[in-house]
Amino acid sequence: AQTVTQSQPEMSVQEAETVTLSCTYDTSESDYYLFWYKQPPSRQMILVIRQEAYKQQNATENRFSVNFQKAAKSFSLKISDSQLGDAAMYFCAYRGWNRDDKIIFGKGTRLHILP
Amino acid sequence: DVKVTQSSRYLVKRTGEKVFLECVQDMDHENMFWYRQDPGLGLRLIYFSYDVKMKEKGDIPEGYSVSREKKERFSLILESASTNQTSMYLCASSFGDRGPHGLEVQETQYFGPGTRLLVL
Repeated sequence: AQTVTQSQPEMSVQEAETVTLSCTYDTSESDYYLFWYKQPPSRQMILVIRQEAYKQQNATENRFSVNFQKAAKSFSLKISDSQLGDAAMYFCAYRGWNRDDKIIFGKGTRLHILP
Repeated sequence: DVKVTQSSRYLVKRTGEKVFLECVQDMDHENMFWYRQDPGLGLRLIYFSYDVKMKEKGDIPEGYSVSREKKERFSLILESASTNQTSMYLCASSFGDRGPHGLEVQETQYFGPGTRLLVL
């Protein structure tokens, strides 16, 4: 069975600094999707970034980028120039390629931004 | 913009009551999901549905049922609420097909704002 592990329950970063959230996963599949979701204190979960496993290039979305290491089964999220609005719970998630595959979430990392 | 709405942000119920949580999406998504979120446990899938009148058990279906009579609406039912069902409940939806190229899939899940349920 696939699993997603986020080893850092909480992290803190100074405003304007860079922070990296780690995520590892376990799967025997070769094609799949990986996601980072953000849940601010208002609780609406939103997608931050997504990566298709067949793509070599790391996904980026403005200040958010990932370091996807397929062989190591690692999918870390880098946030550059951290802002107060980045404070949230971040969930890493995995989904297989097949129609019936369910999305599997990690337990989350709570990120604090220090002014 | 995709919009997923849930009927209540906060709900307080008594043990033994029947509880209905409603979720509506406006993007014609085939797939809909119910999760519960608890501190230290992340999100756990309760039930999901890939089509109208279709439902599949997730990882923790015990004590819950669902209904999907219309494509845009997915209801979670607690037949007899218990204190261990106090939690945050999140609804999500996503597209179901593989898109025009057969490869790219709109599998991003769009979440509702959540319902915080307290069972006394």
